[in-house]
Amino acid sequence: AQKITQTQPGMFVQEKEAVTLDCTYDTSDPSYGLFWYKQPSSGEMIFLIYQGSYDQQNATEGRYSLNFQKARKSANLVISASQLGDSAMYFCAMRDLNTGFQKLVFGTGTRLLVSP
Amino acid sequence: EAQVTQNPRYLITVTGKKLTVTCSQNMNHEYMSWYRQDPGLGLRQIYYSMNVEVTDKGDVPEGYKVSRKEKRNFPLILESPSPNQTSLYFCASSLVPQAATNEKLFFGSGTQLSVL
Repeated sequence: AQKITQTQPGMFVQEKEAVTLDCTYDTSDPSYGLFWYKQPSSGEMIFLIYQGSYDQQNATEGRYSLNFQKARKSANLVISASQLGDSAMYFCAMRDLNTGFQKLVFGTGTRLLVSP
Repeated sequence: EAQVTQNPRYLITVTGKKLTVTCSQNMNHEYMSWYRQDPGLGLRQIYYSMNVEVTDKGDVPEGYKVSRKEKRNFPLILESPSPNQTSLYFCASSLVPQAATNEKLFFGSGTQLSVL
């Protein structure tokens, strides 16, 4: 069963506006971690932000924040003040007790295009 | 500079011709893993290693071999490549992921493999 669902294959946003990339997850474990990675056109995978299941507050890293709604099992990435360099593929991923924490399970990704 | 180095960056080969993709990390990480990325499928784990001489299958291990003779190196071997192994491959490393900790994966820059 797919554990990470990213329902938006592509998103468009204008420069300087905020955008939310959706991610829902499925796990029965109380202990898990959620990650977001960015993949620019050059192909490398860049870590953006992490949220632990027991974290009391939503994670933030500069212009990136995570809208973590545990009851809904969603971990949406919010990018504020979009920049042209934010155009990339974005992956949500999860590690949980079921996998022995030994792998990250990735979603299918969302391609974000930022226009001037 | 802390990094995961993969080689080659691009590889075109023919069906059945054995090949090796090398991966090396300089961060003294115990954990290393191989993923393949395919459009619409995200990243899927091929093999992983928790330490030297300790390897295990991921979700899509068929047609691949790995070895971990040294801590820093984790080569991916395709004994008899087939066209369905055409993909973008990533090597990744981290400290051993324990519980829902924020042990993020550090990724190599990827190897684009085409099997004709």
